[in-house]
Parts: sequence; C-alpha cells; structure tokens
Amino acid sequence: EAGVVQSPRYKIIEKKQPVAFWCNPISGHNTLYWYLQNLGQGPELLIRYENEEAVDDSQLPKDRFSAERLKGVDSTLKIQPAELGDSAVYLCASSLGAGDTDTQYFGPGTRLTVL
Amino acid sequence: GENVEQHPSTLSVQEGDSAVIKCTYSDSASNYFPWYKQELGKGPQLIIDIRSNVGEKKDQRIAVTLNKTAKHFSLHITETQPEDSAVYFCAATYGNQFYFGTGTSLTVIP
Repeated sequence: EAGVVQSPRYKIIEKKQPVAFWCNPISGHNTLYWYLQNLGQGPELLIRYENEEAVDDSQLPKDRFSAERLKGVDSTLKIQPAELGDSAVYLCASSLGAGDTDTQYFGPGTRLTVL
Repeated sequence: GENVEQHPSTLSVQEGDSAVIKCTYSDSASNYFPWYKQELGKGPQLIIDIRSNVGEKKDQRIAVTLNKTAKHFSLHITETQPEDSAVYFCAATYGNQFYFGTGTSLTVIP
C-alpha cells in the first residue's frame, strides 16, 4: 500500500515569492493534516481536514498561508508571500478517522528554504 | 492544550546496550501516546503506541510504558543496533490533536 505522497521534496525560493506544496494521503484516509517542523523541533499542527472540511486551522497564519482539499482527497498548502522565517519542513499526514486514537501516518515532507 | 516534555534531547549508547527516552504530559484527559522515529530526510514513522487503558506494550526490542497517575510515558529500546540511530518523538493526543515532544537524537555507537 502506498504511503502519504508529498511533492516537491525540496524547494528553494526567494522571499516574497509564492510557493505551493502538494499532498496525497493514504487511500481511504478521511483525515488529512499539515504540520510545520522547524529544525530540532517536533511537528506542529497547521491545519486538519476531515474530508473536505477544515475543522482545525487555528494555528494557520491566515495572512499568508492557505490550504485546500477540494474533493476530500489530495490537498495543497500555499504560502504567499514567503518570508525568511518560513524556512522549515512541511509535513503532511493522514489518518483513517479523526478520533484521539487514530494513528497518523506521515509523508516524507517538503523542505522549504527561503532566501 | 497539551504540553509534552521529552528527555533527554540527545542520547548516545553502545551497540547492544539499552536506551530509554522519557516524556511527560500535562493534561490527564490525554489518552493516546504514539512514538515516532524520524530518520534524516524522512518523515516521522510510527514505531509503537499505547492507549491509556494499557500500562505497557512490547514489540520485539521496543517497549513503551505508561504511568497515568504520574502523567509520564517512556520508550525502551533493548539490544540497540546502529540502524536504531535516529530522532525519536513522543506525542500525546488531546482534543483530536497530537502534541509532539521536542525529540531525542539517539546515536548507537558500533
């Protein structure tokens, strides 16, 4: 069974440029998560989707970040414009359900470098 | 929300020795505690988990213990091998959200 797929794996952009990340979750997983992972830190939740609905986006900086999951399957996370402090790894994860004990499976991440 | 603290931040052991990583959490309502292993350039991979109605769980060389009263849980790796070298993260769930510790970089010296 294929795992969570993310692309691109690496992205280097100049500040103020836009950037987008794509995620395809494990087939049949209804819940999708985007996390931010800074160097030497654990993942921090940005947004959680249940099917196509964003049910928790309280940590998403909405002035520059946006996300969508239009058909309840794959998802895109966008930053516009990017800032130097956005350099980090952006992880996507999925789970079968949305309960407390539903295991989350992570993709390989996209490493973003903003120059 | 939940606050998860993880210790130590770095750990070096000789091959064949045991490694123990400890985490504490703040909210007694948390009821699921997964452990993830992250290798360089890869996403976190689940290695073992434990639910609040269980005190201990073992899977070959890996075990996790949970003390709900003290609000702490630990990862135990026995007979460590060089391929166990990675960053390990604990997590606790609260309100349908995972809260991760800051990670432990484990180095197994051959």
